[in-house]
Amino acid sequence: QKEVEQDPGPLSVPEGAIVSLNCTYSNSAFQYFMWYRQYSRKGPELLMYTYSSGNKEDGRFTAQVDKSSKYISLFIRDSQPSDSATYLCAMKKGVQGAQKLVFGQGTRLTINP
Amino acid sequence: NAGVMQNPRHLVRRRGQEARLRCSPMKGHSHVYWYRQLPEEGLKFMVYLQKENIIDESGMPKERFSAEFPKEGPSILRIQQVVRGDSAAYFCASSPPPGTSGSGELFFGEGSRLTVL
Repeated sequence: QKEVEQDPGPLSVPEGAIVSLNCTYSNSAFQYFMWYRQYSRKGPELLMYTYSSGNKEDGRFTAQVDKSSKYISLFIRDSQPSDSATYLCAMKKGVQGAQKLVFGQGTRLTINP
Repeated sequence: NAGVMQNPRHLVRRRGQEARLRCSPMKGHSHVYWYRQLPEEGLKFMVYLQKENIIDESGMPKERFSAEFPKEGPSILRIQQVVRGDSAAYFCASSPPPGTSGSGELFFGEGSRLTVL
């Protein structure tokens, strides 16, 4: 069993839809949770970073963490074609600054105009 | 403010040759990480380095792979006697020193794509 499971998709939705992306994990030692966006042939860029259960909002993006269920989500409101990318969840144990991240497989998302 | 710079962006090698991938971290960053991304897979941690020091190499294959981050110059990931299974995108990332502002974030380069024929 992988430490982090993420549905690879692909996921295709119309412009303006609410998108829900999810990851589950098996190791309760994970304390910090991230979502990265990766455009084709580019490096991942950090979208959201959280370390506690609950919601964190940043513009059209909301990250949700449920440590009791070992489940994290990323919601995208009013989705735009420019949101089309692969979204990777990532998590780590230990203190800030030690960046040995464990990534999910990534979900390929397409927003159709 | 230049980001993480990786070169070459694309590298083609025949089986048995050596591949050298280079990474210059962002200005002010002293920590470098290498990750490998196989087709249709997420990124897998390989190694974590500071200048002249390997901190964690638990993700590195035991043979043929090595990494360094010298006092001067870029970090180098070296793959000897490449095989087809080494074909992947290799990403470098950097972060500020622990305990400093922004040390919780990794900044990734655009990757070096290795193809082994």
